[in-house]
Amino acid sequence: EVHLVESGGGLVQPGRSLRLTCKGSGFSFGDYAFNWVRQAPGKGLEWLTFIRSKRHAETTEYAASVKGRFTISRDDSKDIAYLHMTSLKIEDTAVYYCCRGSEAIIVDLDYWGQGTLVTVSS
Amino acid sequence: QSVLTQPPSASGTPGQRVTISCSGSSFNIGNNAVHWYQQFPGTAPKLLIFSTSRRPSGVPDRFSGAKSGTSASLAISGLQSEDEADYYCASWDDSLNGLVFGGGTKLTVL
Repeated sequence: EVHLVESGGGLVQPGRSLRLTCKGSGFSFGDYAFNWVRQAPGKGLEWLTFIRSKRHAETTEYAASVKGRFTISRDDSKDIAYLHMTSLKIEDTAVYYCCRGSEAIIVDLDYWGQGTLVTVSS
Repeated sequence: QSVLTQPPSASGTPGQRVTISCSGSSFNIGNNAVHWYQQFPGTAPKLLIFSTSRRPSGVPDRFSGAKSGTSASLAISGLQSEDEADYYCASWDDSLNGLVFGGGTKLTVL
């Protein structure tokens, strides 16, 4: 069974950094793309970034709202995808979801983790 | 303000057929596939429809997706109380170079 488990969320001050981790199991991790999507309290979904598989050179794309501040990476030997967030702002407060994407479509987001809450506050 | 436009709410009675619309532009829906997600309160979204009209295994055939021009729709037939949830559409946007979501539609089963 496919599982994605996020961790690393918590309370952080504005301007600080945080790294989220997404651990996959139950499938061949290296064959898939991974995305991060967030949801602010009471709001809708916002796509942030994806990383393709090694077969596709691990290329990445970012939403304008996080480009230059957030970095996605992956370690297929550990079945983990990361989201490194810097210069955090109050408006980055949200539940952050890790989502799997197929190699062909990338953003079909067929499996989601349970999410990890990031609260940016002084 | 979401790039894709959905009605904030929709409703129906058990057994009815309900349609949720998703309006975009030539940069997204008009040129790319549409995906739909279902989210219950306090839980992660779940993929309901991908590539505009395809259902992942395990999703009942009561759910169907379609697209015409720059608009897409999700239809739910034989509405059930357990279908009460938030529904989101999404599509790749070629001008923004990113995945864009609709604002979500809260479906109420009366």
